[in-house]
Amino acid sequence: GNSVTQMEGPVTLSEEAFLTINCTYTATGYPSLFWYVQYPGEGLQLLLKATKADDKGSNKGFEATYRKETTSFHLEKGSVQVSDSAVYFCAGGGGKLIFGQGTELSVKP
Amino acid sequence: DGGITQSPKYLFRKEGQNVTLSCEQNLNHDAMYWYRQDPGQGLRLIYYSQIVNDFQKGDIAEGYSVSREKKESFPLTVTSAQKNPTAFYLCASSIGLTATDTQYFGPGTRLTVL
Repeated sequence: GNSVTQMEGPVTLSEEAFLTINCTYTATGYPSLFWYVQYPGEGLQLLLKATKADDKGSNKGFEATYRKETTSFHLEKGSVQVSDSAVYFCAGGGGKLIFGQGTELSVKP
Repeated sequence: DGGITQSPKYLFRKEGQNVTLSCEQNLNHDAMYWYRQDPGQGLRLIYYSQIVNDFQKGDIAEGYSVSREKKESFPLTVTSAQKNPTAFYLCASSIGLTATDTQYFGPGTRLTVL
């Protein structure tokens, strides 16, 4: 069946460090892929998405490219801030979404 | 402002009681969803609805029930048959169920069964 696997956390970085959170998917066909962010005690907010191979989603300095050949959608940011501390979820699917287990990011000043 | 509201934010119930969680959206979306989130885990789909008066079981529907009498409302009832109901419950909606449709989430309800 379809599945989404993302890098385990927690991840701790210093402010202005480079961030990568890995995400790979297994699916029949080529689903849309999403990154969501969840701040403590809140719901999920869409961070970015890509709907086809080689698409790049970007928002608030975060980027992810839909790589069909490696079935990946890794999240990157060049310089993280303390305010980026949150849990990040990779998700994929067509209509019904399948979520990864989440990666907790903590950014220290 | 358009969005999804869930109420209440925190809910406490005694074991053996049924409890209903509210979810309302004013985005004019056709599809709505309920997810359960446990600490350190991803989201698991409980039920979803594509249109009014129709809904489908998700991966963990046992012990839960839903209704979809209005487009904007999709309440979830956690019944006494749910073995471990303490969790964070998230409602979401999307325009439809096609591959490119984005799901938008409410703020969640944290249910604690005492």
